[in-house]
Amino acid sequence: GDSVTQMEGPVTLSEEAFLTINCTYTATGYPSLFWYVQYPGEGLQLLLKATKADDKGSNKGFEATYRKETTSFHLEKGSVQVSDSAVYFCALTYSSASKIIFGSGTRLSIRP
Amino acid sequence: DADVTQTPRNRITKTGKRIMLECSQTKGHDRMYWYRQDPGLGLRLIYYSFDVKDINKGEISDGYSVSRQAQAKFSLSLESAIPNQTALYFCATSDSGIPYNEQFFGPGTRLTVL
Repeated sequence: GDSVTQMEGPVTLSEEAFLTINCTYTATGYPSLFWYVQYPGEGLQLLLKATKADDKGSNKGFEATYRKETTSFHLEKGSVQVSDSAVYFCALTYSSASKIIFGSGTRLSIRP
Repeated sequence: DADVTQTPRNRITKTGKRIMLECSQTKGHDRMYWYRQDPGLGLRLIYYSFDVKDINKGEISDGYSVSRQAQAKFSLSLESAIPNQTALYFCATSDSGIPYNEQFFGPGTRLTVL
């Protein structure tokens, strides 16, 4: 079946450091890929998406490229801020699907 | 105002009690979902509804039931709560007209069963 695997946290970085959170997936078809972010005390919100191979999603300085050949969708940011501290979820879904398949989440903490 | 609201935000109850969690949305979406979040497990789907007359089980529906009272309202019930139902519960919505199934989440309800 379909699944999403992301790097375990917690990840702790200093402000302005480079961020990578790894995500790989297993899919039987051609899914869309998402990164969701969950700030403390809040629900999940969509950070970025890519709907087909080689697409690059970007938002708020974060980027991720849909790599079909490596079945990956790694999240990157060149210079993180304290306000980026949150839990990040990689996910996949199909347009006709009932649900989103989430990874287990990666907690990110940024030190001032 | 929030587009997806959940009540209550926090609830502590005892084993065997019946509990209802409520979700309302003002986004006009036709699809609604209930998930639970446990540490290290991501989110798991409990039930989903594609319209008022459509209710479907997710991957972990045992011990739960739902009611879609209107397009904007979707409630989750625990008929007889047990401690391993202690978790963070999220309601979500989506629009069937959007091709990539983006879901919009409420702020969550933290449920503790003693």
